[in-house]
Amino acid sequence: GDSVTQMEGPVTLSEEAFLTINCTYTATGYPSLFWYVQYPGEGLQLLLKATKADDKGSNKGFEATYRKETTSFHLEKGSVQVSDSAVYFCALPGAGGTSYGKLTFGQGTILTVHP
Amino acid sequence: ETGVTQTPRHLVMGMTNKKSLKCEQHLGHNAMYWYKQSAKKPLELMFVYNFKEQTENNSVPSRFSPECPNSSHLFLHLHTLQPEDSALYLCASSQNPTGGLYEQYFGPGTRLTVT
Repeated sequence: GDSVTQMEGPVTLSEEAFLTINCTYTATGYPSLFWYVQYPGEGLQLLLKATKADDKGSNKGFEATYRKETTSFHLEKGSVQVSDSAVYFCALPGAGGTSYGKLTFGQGTILTVHP
Repeated sequence: ETGVTQTPRHLVMGMTNKKSLKCEQHLGHNAMYWYKQSAKKPLELMFVYNFKEQTENNSVPSRFSPECPNSSHLFLHLHTLQPEDSALYLCASSQNPTGGLYEQYFGPGTRLTVT
């Protein structure tokens, strides 16, 4: 079945540091891929997405490129801010049939950014 | 109000109690979801409703009973829970997932503690 593996956290960085959170997946075919973010005390929000191989999703300075050959969708940001402190989830949507509406999430990576 | 709201935000209940969680979406969506978020575990999809019909029950114990009276409201009725059911319960909504790939919008969650 479908699965998503994220790098273990927590990740602690200083402000303006470079961020990478690794995500790899196992799925049938070539699904779309998502990154969601959960700020403290809130629900999940879609951060960015890519719908086909070699697509790059971007939002709020974050980027992720859909790499079919390595089945990866790593999240990057060149210069993190304290306000980026949150939990980040990589997610894989169901491809069809009884999988419609199903999102498979990675275990989440806690990011803490210090001033 | 906008988006997806959940009440209560926090709930403490004994194992013999009966309580209900409520979710309401103001986005005009047709599909609603319940997820369970436990510490150190990936988000788990529990139930999916599409146009008020349950389309997914992810092997959830019968002590959790969902109800979807219309496309805007979703309930999760709880009875005789176990301490391991303590978690953050997240509600989400989206457009009809069989019509394509649509983003899921999440509520802030209900933090449930079973004593």
